[in-house]
Formats: sequence, structure tokens, C-alpha cells
Amino acid sequence: ETGVTQSPTHLIKTRGQQVTLRCSSQSGHNTVSWYQQALGQGPQFIFQYYREEENGRGNFPPRFSGLQFPNYSSELNVNALELDDSALYLCASSVRASSDNEQFFGPGTRLTVL
Amino acid sequence: AQSVSQHNHHVILSEAASLELGCNYSYGGTVNLFWYVQYPGQHLQLLLKYFSGDPLVKGIKGFEAEFIKSKFSFNLRKPSVQWSDTAEYFCAVNRNNAGNMLTFGGGTRLMVKP
Repeated sequence: ETGVTQSPTHLIKTRGQQVTLRCSSQSGHNTVSWYQQALGQGPQFIFQYYREEENGRGNFPPRFSGLQFPNYSSELNVNALELDDSALYLCASSVRASSDNEQFFGPGTRLTVL
Repeated sequence: AQSVSQHNHHVILSEAASLELGCNYSYGGTVNLFWYVQYPGQHLQLLLKYFSGDPLVKGIKGFEAEFIKSKFSFNLRKPSVQWSDTAEYFCAVNRNNAGNMLTFGGGTRLMVKP
């Protein structure tokens, strides 16, 4: 078990709704990354937050947005949900936004969009 | 765009068999390389990583991987698998100038028969 926690564990929404997922990073970590893992696929990078600012973004539309708070916890918000947004959303924290820093993953939030 | 390929999607082995899982990446610059494992119902865990130095990397639980720069490969190996190695394995790549954003392969699902 890492010190990264995510809530909720599972979530069911309908198309067009909005969702907020939460992540608490491991103690001492100031960088949070979010990944989307569709069924049967590897995780895909959504974005990263470092010192409360977005510090890199993958190929995801603007309806995917995030926040990082002063305590380094983070939120992922998805607006106008689509069926293809159904996936496991993973949060990972690290000491800093550097390539030589290991990321520690949380257990994920499984989102189902009906 | 950078991509990571894992050619074996499903592998079934008997206990004590040797394991080699392939991973190739497309980026030509300096990279950091990782193998993660996801046991059933658990979060992603780091098995091993390569940043620089000896291209043969030892990880946890008897796993090792060899970085062959000329082949853009980072194959995972274990001489003798156990039933407890049943899991999904993900190769991931991080470019040196891309913070610690990870690009994952599609994963290999390993089943070890007792």
C-alpha cells in the first residue's frame, strides 16, 4: 500500500453529468498526476499538478480539469460526461515533477458512465 | 508521438517456467524506463526502473530487465515464476525533459498455473 488515497472508490454517473474525483498525495509529495485507465488498456496521462499549477497535459479535452490545493491534495473534474469516460482514474504522487522521481499510485476510482 | 508497445497481451505459464515480457518504445532521446505490476484488486506498484548506468536492472521479487538502447527495448525477465506472479504488467517510459509524465504500454496479463 502507498500513502496515496483516492475517493470515492466507485462512482456511477449518466451522460452529460459532471464528476469530481479526489486524491490525497503521500506525505512529503508535492506533485500529483492523473491517469485514465480504460478497460484492458494501460494508463493514459491526463495532467500533472505541481505547486498548485498544471505542469503538463496529455491528449485530453478541456472538459477534463483539475486543481491542486496547498496541502498538495488534488481534484480531477470531468464535465459533460461521455460513455467513453468510463474508466479507472488513477492518481499518482511524487516528491517533485522530475523525470527521476518515482510516482506512487493510489487504488483508483472506477467511474461508470451510463 | 511517443509510444510504448507490449507485444504479449496475454501470457500463460506454469510455475517454475521462465518469463520474458517484451517492451519497445518509439522515442529516440534520453528516456527513463519502468515496469509496474498490478496484482488483482491492488494498485499499481513499481517493479523496477532504469535511469542510467548498468543496463541490467534488478527489481523486487526476483524480476530484472535489460535496457538495449539500439533496439529501443526494455524487456522484463524472471527465471522462475510463481503462482503469486499472476498479475498485469505494464512497461512505462518517461522522457528526460517531460517532467515525470509516464507513457504506458497496453499491458501484459500474466497467468501462472500452479
